[in-house]
Amino acid sequence: EVQLVESGGGLVQPGGSLRLSCEASGFTFSSYAMSWVRQAPGKGLEWVSGISGSGGSTYYADSVKGRFTISRDNSKNTLYLQMNSLRAEDTALYYCAKDAIRGVIPSYFDYWGQGSLVTVSS
Amino acid sequence: DIQMTQSPSSLSASVGDRVTITCRASQDISNYLAWYQQKPGKVPKLLIYAASTLQSGVPSRFSGSGSGTDFTLTISSLQPEDVATYYCQKYNIAPWTFGQGTKVEIK
Repeated sequence: EVQLVESGGGLVQPGGSLRLSCEASGFTFSSYAMSWVRQAPGKGLEWVSGISGSGGSTYYADSVKGRFTISRDNSKNTLYLQMNSLRAEDTALYYCAKDAIRGVIPSYFDYWGQGSLVTVSS
Repeated sequence: DIQMTQSPSSLSASVGDRVTITCRASQDISNYLAWYQQKPGKVPKLLIYAASTLQSGVPSRFSGSGSGTDFTLTISSLQPEDVATYYCQKYNIAPWTFGQGTKVEIK
């Protein structure tokens, strides 16, 4: 059974940093691209960042480029999102999402974690 | 970047009604389109990929169609458990943009 468990969210002041983690199980982690998708309170889904199965290729939404860094440790079956220079508009539930296709780049997502809440406020 | 626009933003229909949601891409995305269902307080669930292929386990009352820039998600006979927000998502190239969502309620 595929499981994705996020952790690392919390309350942080504007300009601060947080690192989210997503521990994966139930599939061959290194074979699949992974993404982070966020959802602000009461709002829609926003793709944030994606990474290839090997970790060699990374992709970012313009809204987070230069502030967020996605990475993965395939030996630990874990996906990360380092978030720096956080802003109020980054407040959201951050989902870890598994790609449905074995491939190099993200596509569509067949499994989602329960999410980790990030609140940016003074 | 390619924009994804859904319509309507919300709708209210009766049980048994046929419901259609539209998703329009600002540029040709071929059939690189997925649909998700998100029930209140729940995680998004993949319904359809490649514009018209039903994900395993999804009821057959859901169907998708379209190619290029115009796509539709159809619920052939709306059920109470279909109350949710539905999102389209393109996946031809980065960024992997979602539509703004369509909230479906029961009248």
